Order: sequence, then C-alpha cells, then structure tokens
Amino acid sequence: KAGVTQTPRYLIKTRGQQVTLSCSPISGHRSVSWYQQTPGQGLQFLFEYFSETQRNKGNFPGRFSGRQFSNSRSEMNVSTLELGDSALYLCASSTYQGGIQYFGAGTRLSVL
Amino acid sequence: GNSVTQMEGPVTLSEEAFLTINCTYTATGYPSLFWYVQYPGEGLQLLLKATKADDKGSNKGFEATYRKETTSFHLEKGSVQVSDSAVYFCALGLQGGYQKVTFGTGTKLQVIP
Repeated sequence: KAGVTQTPRYLIKTRGQQVTLSCSPISGHRSVSWYQQTPGQGLQFLFEYFSETQRNKGNFPGRFSGRQFSNSRSEMNVSTLELGDSALYLCASSTYQGGIQYFGAGTRLSVL
Repeated sequence: GNSVTQMEGPVTLSEEAFLTINCTYTATGYPSLFWYVQYPGEGLQLLLKATKADDKGSNKGFEATYRKETTSFHLEKGSVQVSDSAVYFCALGLQGGYQKVTFGTGTKLQVIP
C-alpha cells in the first residue's frame, strides 16, 4: 500500500506570493490533517478534514486554508506569504478521526 | 480540552544508557495513547501505541505503559543506540466526536557513542 504522498517536497517563494501544497492520503483513509513544524514553535496543528468537511481548526490566521476532495486528497493554501511561514508542512492521514496518524515526508517551504 | 505534556529536551545520553521520556496527558473520555518518532529529514512515524489502561505498547526495544491513575505514558528503553537519535512525540487520540489527535511538543534525543 502506498504511503502518504506530499508534493512538492521543496518550495521557495517570496513574500506576498501564495502557495498550494498537495497531500494524497493512504487509500481508504478519509481523515487528513495538516501540521506546521518549525524549530521555534514545534509541531502545530493547522486543520483536519474528514469526508470533505473541515472538522477541526488550529489557531492560524485566515491566510491558511485548505480543502479536501471527494477522493480524500487534500490541498492547503497559504496566501500573502510572510517570512514566518517558512516551515516544514506535514500532512497525515488516518482511517478515522483520533486514530493512528500516517505522515508524509512533508513539504519544506522557504519564504524569502 | 485535551492536552499532552512531555519533558523538555534535548536529552543527551551515552550509547547503552537507559532512556526515559516522561509524558502526561489530560483528556475527556478514554483516549488511545501514542508515541511517534521523527528522524532527521523525515515525517513522523508511529513507534508504539496503547488503547486502554494498563496496556503496554512496545516496538524496537521501546516500551510505554498506559497508566490511568497517574495519566501518564512514559517512554522507556533499556539500552539506547546512536541510531535512536531523533525527536519523540507523545500523543493522544479519542475515537468518535470529531476530535483531532493531540501531540506533545516533542523531545529531542541525542545519543553519543
């Protein structure tokens, strides 16, 4: 069974631009969660989707948004990028909310 | 709300030393408890889990026991190796009610030869 796939692996953007990250969950998994990881703040929860509906949201500004498609694939979007958005963005999927999280390798975003 | 508290790092140990990383939790209901490990340049991966009180999760020489009376799930290993150097995360999950998995802040372990 294929694991969680995140694309792209690396991104370099400049301040003010927007970016879209993609996550393909393990086949059959309906829950997808997104996390931001930085050296200073650690692992921070962004949002969780289940059956195309956002079920939980972390404490991030509205510039961060996401969606989930009918095939459970998910995207997250960050608009008007700031330097502080530089981070490793991790996606995780699970069969149900609260279950074992299977993580992708992440997308490393650098904002210049 | 739900929360997980784990010991601050970094933890530096010599090879073959005994490891303990403390983790305590607060949860409404009866959570499942997890330890995840993140090696450099990778995402997190499940190390072990326990789903009910007094369960012991184990994997790769690591163990943790679900202690409901002390709301704890401490990670232990009898003899660490350099290859165990990584960041370890304690987490809890509650099935049902649309609740997300809650992670601790992570504890960095460095094992020196």
